[in-house]
Amino acid sequence: NAGVTQTPKFQVLKTGQSMTLQCAQDMNHNSMYWYRQDPGMGLRLIYYSASEGTTDKGEVPNGYNVSRLNKREFSLRLESAAPSQTSVYFCASSEGGQGSAGANVLTFGAGSRLTVL
Amino acid sequence: KQEVTQIPAALSVPEGENLVLNCSFTDSAIYNLQWFRQDPGKGLTSLLLIQSSQREQTSGRLNASLDKSSGRSTLYIAASQPGDSATYLCAVRGLSRYQGAQKLVFGQGTRLTINP
Repeated sequence: NAGVTQTPKFQVLKTGQSMTLQCAQDMNHNSMYWYRQDPGMGLRLIYYSASEGTTDKGEVPNGYNVSRLNKREFSLRLESAAPSQTSVYFCASSEGGQGSAGANVLTFGAGSRLTVL
Repeated sequence: KQEVTQIPAALSVPEGENLVLNCSFTDSAIYNLQWFRQDPGKGLTSLLLIQSSQREQTSGRLNASLDKSSGRSTLYIAASQPGDSATYLCAVRGLSRYQGAQKLVFGQGTRLTINP
């Protein structure tokens, strides 16, 4: 059971370049999320998708776009990378809905470390 | 705006000790609170989830408590082991439904070191 898989694990970009971080989950979860983790700032929500076909902004969406390609996949795109986007990016998923407590547990990927020069 | 604080930022204790990690939040109107563990260079692993109607949850040597009225949660680790060394993060979800999604606000974590 792979859980949540993110690619790539590491990436170095130059300012202005674009790239897409890929995320896939195999747990049939409805909700998916993109977080960034920075020293001293903790994890902050960039975008989320409550269910297939919907996406919404989180706390720090500027400079990013997302696509919920299907129920399994949720990608994060940087159109014109900036040094401020240097961070570790985490994708997560949860069963979603208003059901049992177990439905609210988040499963995280291993992270993608992005450096923008 | 919900803010989550974890103090101390780092903690070092000898193996075998019982210890408590603290988490405080500014808005008591929460749906649930979760504790996570993060090992260096890795993702987060969910440890315990406490619904707003609950006072505590237990899993093995871990016990998490929740006091909504005071805006506090604690994670108790019994008989600590070197393998418990990691960063522990708490996160809260507000009451808004967000279509069932878990919009979490995280604390910055406590980096725990257990010395053999």
